[in-house]
Amino acid sequence: DAGITQSPRHKVTETGTPVTLRCHQTENHRYMYWYRQDPGHGLRLIHYSYGVKDTDKGEVSDGYSVSRSKTEDFLLTLESATSSQTSVYFCAISDPRQRDEQFFGPGTRLTVL
Amino acid sequence: GDSVTQMEGPVTLSEEAFLTINCTYTATGYPSLFWYVQYPGEGLQLLLKATKADDKGSNKGFEATYRKETTSFHLEKGSVQVSDSAVYFCALIRGREGAQKLVFGQGTRLTINP
Repeated sequence: DAGITQSPRHKVTETGTPVTLRCHQTENHRYMYWYRQDPGHGLRLIHYSYGVKDTDKGEVSDGYSVSRSKTEDFLLTLESATSSQTSVYFCAISDPRQRDEQFFGPGTRLTVL
Repeated sequence: GDSVTQMEGPVTLSEEAFLTINCTYTATGYPSLFWYVQYPGEGLQLLLKATKADDKGSNKGFEATYRKETTSFHLEKGSVQVSDSAVYFCALIRGREGAQKLVFGQGTRLTINP
């Protein structure tokens, strides 16, 4: 299994509070991604990173920001959580040498009340 | 834009039944196609893939053939087991250079009864 961990694994928070999710990898892969999974939508890309300090938006980036200060960590921040951001969040990684394949973390279940 | 459509679930079958989960896509060019599987409480795992037309991906008894004429990538298995119960996602990859972004179908929940 690819060395990807996500923390926390579960979180319940209230509307309007900031939330940060962490993805940590031990594979030294260049590319990292954040997806959200919602019933009827599959997984949708929020943001991705193609290197340290290099990030870009995905298809559902509104209300989210990311940071990548070192290769192994990719942080997803909800500046002011809303109930519509209740979801399961998955981190994924990929490597240029295996560009077609992405490896997924175990997910974080976030509930915004 | 690029998109993937899967058959609606949930799908419930008996053990040893034949499985087909339909997947069609809309994309420019010929993207690589994937099936991912998600077991309960876990992240997604790559099940199989095909990178060009007429390629057949296979793994763990599952197969899917890249059909450009019908823009399809249907997942099949000849005899399912209880352990195949999971959610299955069809996906394509978008982007040629740099980070390649997966576009997923909505997922199909499969339950196999003994």
